[in-house]
Amino acid sequence: GEDVEQSLFLSVREGDSSVINCTYTDSSSTYLYWYKQEPGAGLQLLTYIFSNMDMKQDQRLTVLLNKKDKHLSLRIADTQTGDSAIYFCAEDSGGGADGLTFGKGTHLIIQP
Amino acid sequence: GAGVSQSPSNKVTEKGKDVELRCDPISGHTALYWYRQSLGQGLEFLIYFQGNSAPDKSGLPSDRFSAERTGGSVSTLTIQRTQQEDSAVYLCASSLAGTGTNEKLFFGSGTQLSVL
Repeated sequence: GEDVEQSLFLSVREGDSSVINCTYTDSSSTYLYWYKQEPGAGLQLLTYIFSNMDMKQDQRLTVLLNKKDKHLSLRIADTQTGDSAIYFCAEDSGGGADGLTFGKGTHLIIQP
Repeated sequence: GAGVSQSPSNKVTEKGKDVELRCDPISGHTALYWYRQSLGQGLEFLIYFQGNSAPDKSGLPSDRFSAERTGGSVSTLTIQRTQQEDSAVYLCASSLAGTGTNEKLFFGSGTQLSVL
């Protein structure tokens, strides 16, 4: 079945760049997503990338996709304390009836 | 409402009791999803509705879990004879089409269920 893997924790200093990595197994994924979850809240869609792209930039966020290696990354430039959250990688391998397949999430910890 | 609304936000129940969780999706969103988020785990897909019908119920953990959606809008997730392992955050999400193409899911804040 589909599987999405992420590291559980990432610690960075305020002002540095954060890079959160994700690997997935289903090569038929059409879109790949990054969601952000702040404490006590639901998931918020941050950004997504179409599978035939290798990079997408949106302000401080850069998504890189290596389809050959099934590797997705999210880079957050100039990390701020407000970026502290859990970041989930997801793929739409099934879509519709199967929903999205999510990783376990990466806790981003910001050090002052 | 402007977003996906879930109620209650917190529910504490005793083992063996039944609970009902409610989700009110974004108006006009035909697709509705239930996920379960357990401590240290990712999101576990439970069930998907397209309109009032649920094409795929295979994610429901056991026959104690059921869900319905009426009028293509509000959905309820019912857990009968709750067990301690049911303790988790239950998240509801909705999307415009549910076609599997660029599914932008909008999530509610979840119901934190604690079974004592």
